[in-house]
Amino acid sequence: QVQLVQSGAEVKKPGSSVKVSCKASGGTFSSYAISWVRQAPGQGLEWMGGIIPIFGTANYAQKFQGRVTITADESTSTAYMELSSLRSEDTAVYYCARGGAVDYGDYTAFDYMDVWGKGTTVTVSS
Amino acid sequence: DIQMTQSPSSLSASVGDRVTITCRASQSISSYLNWYQQKPGKAPKLLIYAASSLQSGVPSRFSGSGSGTDFTLTISSLQPEDFATYYCQQSYSTITFGQGTRLEIK
Repeated sequence: QVQLVQSGAEVKKPGSSVKVSCKASGGTFSSYAISWVRQAPGQGLEWMGGIIPIFGTANYAQKFQGRVTITADESTSTAYMELSSLRSEDTAVYYCARGGAVDYGDYTAFDYMDVWGKGTTVTVSS
Repeated sequence: DIQMTQSPSSLSASVGDRVTITCRASQSISSYLNWYQQKPGKAPKLLIYAASSLQSGVPSRFSGSGSGTDFTLTISSLQPEDFATYYCQQSYSTITFGQGTRLEIK
């Protein structure tokens, strides 16, 4: 059964960047989608974007376009999410999740998310 | 983006109760609707996908129904471990989640 292991908690200054990793073990990595979902303290879930490693092209939610970069390294079964120009509102738990998706070439349709990492807490504070 | 609205936002119920949570989409999403359960300090867990398909390993007391814009998650007989927050999520277009329904013990 695949497990997703995320990197540790981060404390960042406003204006800086953070890069969170998500390593898959025990199962197939490349042919599934990896999504990134965040949850601010006491708030709901927010999808940031995702990637199908075998295709390598990421799709992003409009809100995060230009500020987030999602990549994947098939050789190490690891996905990454980098968020730049951090502000206090980016303080949240960031989850990676494996799930279904269909690649249409210029667009990827992401679906359910059935395996989740435990989350990485990112705190943005001066 | 498609807006997902859950009702109620919170709910108190007792062990053994039948509970229904509703999720409404701002436009038709066919059956591209998934449900998750989240407990405090834990990652979400997939319960139902494609509106009505039970994820492997999820107890049969959970069920989902609906299509188009209106969907429901039903728990037929609440168990102590079911007290949690539930989220719907559409995958018809760019993924969006409902705001969550917090299910508390009465």
